[in-house]
Amino acid sequence: EVQLVQSGAEVKKPGESLKISCKGSGFRFTNYWIGWVRQMPGKGLEWMGVIYPDDSDTRYSPSFQGQVTISADKSITTAYLQWRSLKASDTAMYYCATYDSLKGGFDYWGQGTLVTVSS
Amino acid sequence: DIVMTQTPLSSPVTLGQPASISCRSSQSLVHSNGNSYLSWLHQRPGQPPRLLIYKISNRFSGVPDRFSGNGAGTDFTLKISRVEAEDVGVYYCMQATQFPHTFGQGTKLEIK
Repeated sequence: EVQLVQSGAEVKKPGESLKISCKGSGFRFTNYWIGWVRQMPGKGLEWMGVIYPDDSDTRYSPSFQGQVTISADKSITTAYLQWRSLKASDTAMYYCATYDSLKGGFDYWGQGTLVTVSS
Repeated sequence: DIVMTQTPLSSPVTLGQPASISCRSSQSLVHSNGNSYLSWLHQRPGQPPRLLIYKISNRFSGVPDRFSGNGAGTDFTLKISRVEAEDVGVYYCMQATQFPHTFGQGTKLEIK
């Protein structure tokens, strides 16, 4: 069974750093892209970027390039999303998902990690 | 970036009746390999999205056959033949033909 288990909710202050995780199991981690999607409160889905864990090829949306870093450690089948300096506007639910390039869609999703940034 | 525009943004429907959502892309979604990477996702309140349809018309594993997708080029449609209570929520189209991939703004399906 394919599973993506994300790290727990975070409450941070503006300017703090953060790294959230997404652990995959039940599939060959190095054969699929892993993507991150943002959903701000009451809003729609925003594609942030994807990483191919086998070679760490990473693609970002221009909207998020330079604002976040996507990484992965294939030895522990885990992908990461990190911020160096959080802003209040980073408050959102963040989902990871497997991207199957043959299907061209995000087929399996994590449960989401709620990040709250508030002073 | 390819802009995905969905209509309507809200759709009140009667249980047992059909529903239809449109998605238009700002440029053709035909990839150089001949495939069109247009997918549909459904998100119930408080849950992560789930994949319904990929490559315009292919139902993902476990998706009921009352869901269907069609279209070509820049115009695509998701149809629900007979709406059930569990179908409420927000539906998104997504293009994966070109990086960055992009989502439509979402269509909220609610029961009348």
